Amino acid sequence: DAGVIQSPRHEVTEMGQEVTLRCKPISGHNSLFWYRQTMMRGLELLIYFNNNVPIDDSGMPEDRFSAKMPNASFSTLKIQPSEPRDSAVYFCASSLGDYNEQFFGPGTRLTVL
Amino acid sequence: TQLLEQSPQFLSIQEGENLTVYCNSSSVFSSLQWYRQEPGEGPVLLVTVVTGGEVKKLKRLTFQFGDARKDSSLHITAAQPGDTGLYLCAGGLMGTYKYIFGTGTRLKVLA
Repeated sequence: DAGVIQSPRHEVTEMGQEVTLRCKPISGHNSLFWYRQTMMRGLELLIYFNNNVPIDDSGMPEDRFSAKMPNASFSTLKIQPSEPRDSAVYFCASSLGDYNEQFFGPGTRLTVL
Repeated sequence: TQLLEQSPQFLSIQEGENLTVYCNSSSVFSSLQWYRQEPGEGPVLLVTVVTGGEVKKLKRLTFQFGDARKDSSLHITAAQPGDTGLYLCAGGLMGTYKYIFGTGTRLKVLA
């Protein structure tokens, strides 16, 4: 079975550009999480969807960040405009239900120059 | 802000040695999870402990949840190079779906 799929795996962009990260959760899972990982701050939850509905976006750092889940098999995290401090590894995770094991994707390494 | 401090931050040991990693907080958690993350990959769940004082074993790994559900430890017996990775604990916030991740322990086991 395919796990959580994320694309791209690596993204290098210049400050001010729009960045879109993509995630395909595991089929049948109804919860989706976006995380950001940096050396300084560790792994931080950005936003959580349940049944395609955003439940909690309190971890989204600024208005420059937005996330959508148009259907059960696809989600995007967009940064516009991007800044160098957004450089990090962004993970998507999915689970069946709120309290069950989260399965993480391989991550997208974002570098903003 | 809930914080989960892990110690040590870095650990380099020889194959066959034993080690313990600690995860501490002043907050009470509904449950606690341990993950291992390898370079270029996402974290993978190792175990979830729910009850205060609970001990779970996974082959050479022993996990314990503190009696007050504020801390946890991971003990590895006879470490092997395959145990190398970043170990993360994550505490479940009471009454929510959220897990707060610890600062991480980077383990390297030398052959």
